Amino acid sequence: AQTVTQSQPEMSVQEAETVTLSCTYDTSENNYYLFWYKQPPSRQMILVIRQEAYKQQNATENRFSVNFQKAAKSFSLKISDSQLGDTAMYFCAFGGSGGSNYKLTFGKGTLLTVNP
Amino acid sequence: EAGVVQSPRYKIIEKKQPVAFWCNPISGHNTLYWYLQNLGQGPELLIRYENEEAVDDSQLPKDRFSAERLKGVDSTLKIQPAELGDSAVYLCASSLGLAAQETQYFGPGTRLLVL
Repeated sequence: AQTVTQSQPEMSVQEAETVTLSCTYDTSENNYYLFWYKQPPSRQMILVIRQEAYKQQNATENRFSVNFQKAAKSFSLKISDSQLGDTAMYFCAFGGSGGSNYKLTFGKGTLLTVNP
Repeated sequence: EAGVVQSPRYKIIEKKQPVAFWCNPISGHNTLYWYLQNLGQGPELLIRYENEEAVDDSQLPKDRFSAERLKGVDSTLKIQPAELGDSAVYLCASSLGLAAQETQYFGPGTRLLVL
């Protein structure tokens, strides 16, 4: 079974600065997907960024980028130019190769607070 | 385009009472998921539907939990009877299909408190 570990329960950053959230995972699969989801205080979870394991290039979405290290099974999220609206719980999630056995496995989350 | 709709948003019941949650997925999304999110934890899958068929209900406690997705659109999750430990947020999500690259879109959740 896959496991996802987020070792930072809470983090804080000053507005406009950069912060990196850590995630490691364990799997025996070779093809898979990794996700970062954001859950603001209103609790609607939204996708921030996605990485396909067979792609070596790190995914980037505006101020959000990942550092994907497949051999180390590491998938960190970097948020540049942090904004107050980035305050939220961030969940790292692992998605297998698909099909009837497909499901997302989430980490426990990191609470990020952006301070003015 | 409307997102995933869930109701009610909050529910307080006494233990041993029944409770039901409703979810309306994004139009055209064939796959629907119910997740349980305990305080301070990530979501955990309870059941997944492909159209009206439950393709994975291995994590659903079938002694007290049941779910249905009639006509492959709306879905209802029921707990009967509720226990104190069922207090949590119940999230519904939907996606176009089961493929791993399909984004799951989440609803706002139903926060359940069992007294």
